[in-house]
This record gives sequence, structure tokens and C-alpha cells, in this order.
Amino acid sequence: EDQVTQSPEALRLQEGESSSLNCSYTVSGLRGLFWYRQDPGKGPEFLFTLYSAGEEKEKERLKATLTKKESFLHITAPKPEDSATYLCAVQARDYKLSFGAGTTVTVRA
Amino acid sequence: EAQVTQNPRYLITVTGKKLTVTCSQNMNHEYMSWYRQDPGLGLRQIYYSMNVEVTDKGDVPEGYKVSRKEKRNFPLILESPSPNQTSLYFCASSRYMAGRNTGELFFGEGSRLTVL
Repeated sequence: EDQVTQSPEALRLQEGESSSLNCSYTVSGLRGLFWYRQDPGKGPEFLFTLYSAGEEKEKERLKATLTKKESFLHITAPKPEDSATYLCAVQARDYKLSFGAGTTVTVRA
Repeated sequence: EAQVTQNPRYLITVTGKKLTVTCSQNMNHEYMSWYRQDPGLGLRQIYYSMNVEVTDKGDVPEGYKVSRKEKRNFPLILESPSPNQTSLYFCASSRYMAGRNTGELFFGEGSRLTVL
């Protein structure tokens, strides 16, 4: 069974304090790994797709990386507006999508 | 503006009273899906649809029904709601790439349902 585990569950950062979120996965034939951002009271918003180990994607202060067993979302010099829950999902060989439970990031000014 | 629209956004109902949550997308996406989100459990798929008149069960389909009579609409029906269906529900859609759905989903704003 495909499994996605995100850690930590919650992360509190000071503004400017860089950190990383982890998404470890087991999947039968990875088609893609996806990162989403979810603000309170909103639906998840797509951020990145990673297809193969070694691939990296960047968007503003966020950088996603992928290995054969896990993905990291690095937040560089975060600002309060980066506070959100970040979700990771993997798509298996059969196109089924499995989500992790998310990491809630709080950035204090 | 590209969007997925769900209604109602909030609903409190009682056990056994049938209800429908509507979902509509304006992006001409073939693939649509319903998820429920519960604390600590993440997003779990209820049903999905690959195209008009083509639907299939996800991971947690018990107690739910769906239909896809038009490409843009994908309503979620709870025939006889129970308290364990109290949850936050999301509708999502995606385009096709190489003939199949991608993991790049567009989500609606969510519908918070409470069943008493």
C-alpha cells in the first residue's frame, strides 16, 4: 500500500529562520510527487511537481527536492505570509494519488 | 478566472436527512474528485470521475454517491448522513496529460459539514 509520511507535524519559526519539511514515501512506481500549500479555511493550492530523483523546483522562498525515498521542502528566510499547512502527495503507477497529513508552519514576526 | 466552486460552504444537518454538495469547474477538466479531510488523517479520496458518466470509488466511498452527467459538474450525495460523516469536504479537478489525470489538482474552497 502506498504511504506518505510528513514530518514534523508542526513547525514554529522566527521570521528569517530557514528550515526544511520532510515527506517520506513508499509507492509502487512513482509517477510524480506534488507539494501543496493550504491556508486556513481554504482548499489546497498546487505548488510543485517533481518527477525523478535529483530534481529540484523553486518558487520564491520555497525549494523542493526529491530523492528515491523522500522529498524536502526548504523554506529560506521565511516571512509571516509563509505560514500555512504544506501537503505532500505522491502519484503511483496506477495514477492513484495519496496525500500526507501535512506540516503546519507558523512564522512569527 | 479558473475555479472550482462548491456549495454550500457550511452545513449543519441531522442524521438521515439527505443532502447534496454541488461542485462545478470552469476549466473544462476531464478529471474530478471528492476528498474528505479529517485532523491527522490527511486528504482521503471518496469518489472520482474520469469523464462524463464515468465514476469510480476512492478509498472511503461508503455512505456517499456521486454522478457526472455534465463535464463541469460533479455533485456529492449523502443519502442518509451519519455523525461519522462530519468532516471538511473538497472537490478537485485536473487536466489530462498523456491521456490521464495528473496530480496537479485545482481544489474548491471546501464544504464543512456537521451531522448531528
